[in-house]
Amino acid sequence: KNEVEQSPQNLTAQEGEFITINCSYSVGISALHWLQQHPGGGIVSLFMLSSGKKKHGRLIATINIQEKHSSLHITASHPRDSAVYICAVRSRAIYGGSQGNLIFGKGTKLSVKP
Amino acid sequence: DSGVTQTPKHLITATGQRVTLRCSPRSGDLSVYWYQQSLDQGLQFLIQYYNGEERAKGNILERFSAQQFPDLHSELNLSSLELGDSALYFCASSSLPDTEAFFGQGTRLTVV
Repeated sequence: KNEVEQSPQNLTAQEGEFITINCSYSVGISALHWLQQHPGGGIVSLFMLSSGKKKHGRLIATINIQEKHSSLHITASHPRDSAVYICAVRSRAIYGGSQGNLIFGKGTKLSVKP
Repeated sequence: DSGVTQTPKHLITATGQRVTLRCSPRSGDLSVYWYQQSLDQGLQFLIQYYNGEERAKGNILERFSAQQFPDLHSELNLSSLELGDSALYFCASSSLPDTEAFFGQGTRLTVV
């Protein structure tokens, strides 16, 4: 079983829809990251969370430490949001949760149709 | 643009060869990380340097090595290349080891 599980693996939405991507993890963490990878391959860091909720534009990320679960929401989705969204955690057991040893989920491939 | 520069963007080489991937971190960042993204394994952490010293090691093969130079740029050396080493190799940097890191655009390595 992977230490970081994402769902769904693939998601197709119509432009304007509200999207939710889920991430569950099984290890104690010091922080959780949401990353975006565009078709060209480049990775952009969207959020780093250790508690609560963060918002940036149309993106919202939440984390529930007790339930070991995080969600990434996209409001008013747009075709330019089409990308792979990757959840990654910093495990407390590894180097005290250093950024370096991130454990990655397999990613959720989002396609937003116009 | 994250400010992290990786060169080359693409690299095609033959099995058994040796290649060097280069990473220039964001200005002022002391920490550099290397990650490998292959189709079957997904993203995996390879190694981390902080201010020239190795800080953390992940799933890095013995055929691979890295270093961070006094000017803080880093190089990842891959030797005795195998077909399975074909992957995207990402470098990221952060100001301190526990702060958020910014990723480069990656180097796509193809071993033929």
